[in-house]
Amino acid sequence: DTAVSQTPKYLVTQMGNDKSIKCEQNLGHDTMYWYKQDSKKFLKIMFSYNNKELIINETVPNRFSPKSPDKAHLNLHINSLELGDSAVYFCASSQGKVYGYTFGSGTRLTVV
Amino acid sequence: TQLLEQSPQFLSIQEGENLTVYCNSSSVFSSLQWYRQEPGEGPVLLVTVVTGGEVKKLKRLTFQFGDARKDSSLHITAAQPGDTGLYLCATRSTSGTYKYIFGTGTRLKVLA
Repeated sequence: DTAVSQTPKYLVTQMGNDKSIKCEQNLGHDTMYWYKQDSKKFLKIMFSYNNKELIINETVPNRFSPKSPDKAHLNLHINSLELGDSAVYFCASSQGKVYGYTFGSGTRLTVV
Repeated sequence: TQLLEQSPQFLSIQEGENLTVYCNSSSVFSSLQWYRQEPGEGPVLLVTVVTGGEVKKLKRLTFQFGDARKDSSLHITAAQPGDTGLYLCATRSTSGTYKYIFGTGTRLKVLA
């Protein structure tokens, strides 16, 4: 059983399109996150939800909109995709603040 | 802005050699985590250190937290090709308790 699963693994799309990435965790964790990893492998937080409530919303273009229908799911919708959105997007979950993250295996988004 | 600097940025060594990678900040860490990320996968938590001067061992990996809690090191003894990956340190941001910031990463390659 995969603890944090993301779909799709790869996503190639044209500029201007709208796309979604889905994430599900079966660990019973109360907090979920979206991180973006750029070409230099730098990981930067985008959003976090705690029990379906948005608690972290970094300086991210408003073309990016997270949605958490329940505490086991966190989706990321991206409107009007741009070339600069190309990156690997990671979903993660945690229980509380101390114990670290469990990451999904990532979604490699390529905008052409 | 809190920054975590890791060094070296890249490291390529032969199987059987020892190595140390470092994580430094100008701020005091509340706690610090080390992750390893393999190609095509998400980061996996290796260890969390909390107390200044703390040393933790995980098989051939030794993690040390600086006395002043502003730096940490990861030492690998007799490196193996399976140790190849991106090593990341992370700490809770001073601006948000659920928010972790990640270091700049060390890319390690162990040659057989």
